[in-house]
Amino acid sequence: DSGVTQTPKHLITATGQRVTLRCSPRSGDLSVYWYQQSLDQGLQFLIQYYNGEERAKGNILERFSAQQFPDLHSELNLSSLELGDSALYFCASSGAPGTSGTGELFFGEGSRLTVL
Amino acid sequence: GQQLNQSPQSMFIQEGEDVSMNCTSSSIFNTWLWYKQDPGEGPVLLIALYKAGELTSNGRLTAQFGITRKDSFLNISASIPSDVGIYFCAGQLPGNQFYFGTGTSLTVIP
Repeated sequence: DSGVTQTPKHLITATGQRVTLRCSPRSGDLSVYWYQQSLDQGLQFLIQYYNGEERAKGNILERFSAQQFPDLHSELNLSSLELGDSALYFCASSGAPGTSGTGELFFGEGSRLTVL
Repeated sequence: GQQLNQSPQSMFIQEGEDVSMNCTSSSIFNTWLWYKQDPGEGPVLLIALYKAGELTSNGRLTAQFGITRKDSFLNISASIPSDVGIYFCAGQLPGNQFYFGTGTSLTVIP
């Protein structure tokens, strides 16, 4: 158990719809990262938050948005869904600078999104 | 974004054989990480490396942080069927940004 919790584990929805994926980082971790993994593909970095502030953006579509709340949990919002958005979405967390675990990234079990 | 070149892309080996895979980059990283991912699950951290030249073992797994800080390799000795999965390398730049390799798919034939 990595300590990173993601919900829901599975989600099936229709094109055009909007979904929200939720992530609770490991206790004490300030950084949250979101990754997308399509079938048989690598991990595509979407976005990073640190202590509530956006830190870095990757290949995140404009239809997607995220935020990190004061309690450090994060949500990834996916809107106007398309068939190609079907993928595994992973959240990962790492520690604050100067703490053990700063240089280590721990992943949740992912949310599998299927768009029909 | 940064690119990590991971090779080989896939490997088919007999049970009991040793395995070696590596990652290279044009950038200098502070940290190298190696992960294993089983189908439909999240990547699990296997080994973390923090210093150039560092050699670290975790059971039958051994990984090294390259001297130039631009590469790393992972060795698996005496492979067993449960080693099957996809192995990813990841490098961390200053500022806490992580970049991932494209993965090595390992198949172990009993």
